[in-house]
Amino acid sequence: DTGVSQNPRHKITKRGQNVTFRCDPISEHNRLYWYRQTLGQGPEFLTYFQNEAQLEKSRLLSDRFSAERPKGSFSTLEIQRTEQGDSAMYLCASSSGDVGNTIYFGEGSWLTVV
Amino acid sequence: GNSVTQMEGPVTLSEEAFLTINCTYTATGYPSLFWYVQYPGEGLQLLLKATKADDKGSNKGFEATYRKETTSFHLEKGSVQVSDSAVYFCALSHTGTASKLTFGTGTRLQVTL
Repeated sequence: DTGVSQNPRHKITKRGQNVTFRCDPISEHNRLYWYRQTLGQGPEFLTYFQNEAQLEKSRLLSDRFSAERPKGSFSTLEIQRTEQGDSAMYLCASSSGDVGNTIYFGEGSWLTVV
Repeated sequence: GNSVTQMEGPVTLSEEAFLTINCTYTATGYPSLFWYVQYPGEGLQLLLKATKADDKGSNKGFEATYRKETTSFHLEKGSVQVSDSAVYFCALSHTGTASKLTFGTGTRLQVTL
């Protein structure tokens, strides 16, 4: 078990460009989450998948953000027309839905919009 | 709604000192409670958890007890090490909300020799 894997780990992009992050969850975990963390703050929930179905999206997820999990395995998070306020760490997490639903996080993808 | 409140940091301690990081929560029903740790430049690692009242979670010398009567889940360690320097996040998970986590703002711990 290799844990939750995210890439790229770091991305610097110019304002207005599109970026995409990929997440590979722990194998056989059917739940996948995306969170955003800014400096000095705790992670904030963005969206949640149960297998390939996106079941919940936060109000934080504007129309410029889209997440997919086409085959119920890996997931992508795309940000279109990036803004400086999008600079943050984007964390992916997965769980199996066990008792207590322990959620395991990846190491995150840092985004810097210049 | 659900919320988590942690003591503000930074907390600075000498090695081998006793650590307490306070955490209280607001939630309906019976959430599960977690402590996560984040080392510089890294993602979050689960430190310990408790799924029902009076449960004690423990790991690596850290422990926390789920206190429903005081809605608290304080993190403690008897003797901290320099390697414990990190940011600690208290979080709750409620089964009625897709089990997603609600985090506190984090408490930075710095341990010096």
